[in-house]
Amino acid sequence: KQEVTQIPAALSVPEGENLVLNCSFTDSAIYNLQWFRQDPGKGLTSLLLIQSSQREQTSGRLNASLDKSSGRSTLYIAASQPGDSATYLCAVDSNYQLIWGAGTKLIIKP
Amino acid sequence: GAGVSQSPSNKVTEKGKDVELRCDPISGHTALYWYRQSLGQGLEFLIYFQGNSAPDKSGLPSDRFSAERTGGSVSTLTIQRTQQEDSAVYLCASSPGHQNTEAFFGQGTRLTVV
Repeated sequence: KQEVTQIPAALSVPEGENLVLNCSFTDSAIYNLQWFRQDPGKGLTSLLLIQSSQREQTSGRLNASLDKSSGRSTLYIAASQPGDSATYLCAVDSNYQLIWGAGTKLIIKP
Repeated sequence: GAGVSQSPSNKVTEKGKDVELRCDPISGHTALYWYRQSLGQGLEFLIYFQGNSAPDKSGLPSDRFSAERTGGSVSTLTIQRTQQEDSAVYLCASSPGHQNTEAFFGQGTRLTVV
């Protein structure tokens, strides 16, 4: 049974810092892994999708890596801004079901 | 609009009443998913539709929950005889297909059972 874990559960850093969010999964047989952002009272916004055959994806200040063999993904946020404050969720596509981590609540202090 | 649309955005209902939640997926997307997020918990898969295939209902928590997708487009999630533990945000997502395609989410319906 696929299980997804995100560490840390919460993170508070000053504006401008680079930071890394971690996601691990137990079954390496995945189709892809997605990182999402969830703002309070709003739906989910897809940030990056990494196919199982890929090692990383980049979008602006965000970079996500995938190491299937070790069951790990990281989301790197460069030069963090207060607007980056949100809960970040990773989800693995495992037989067409998205299996979710519990999320990392990120607070960027001005 | 071009995104996934859910209605209503908020719903307060009395315990024991039936509710219907609606999802309009992105046009042309063949896959549609329902998830729910209870307070303090992660996202929970409920049901998956892919084209004209029989839906995967394995995530539905009880027989009070049902969903249909008419004409391969709009979907309705119905909860009968609502209970307080049904209170959650219900999220709908669609994607162009399954496997290796990005899922796009609606804003969700916040259901409160009082």
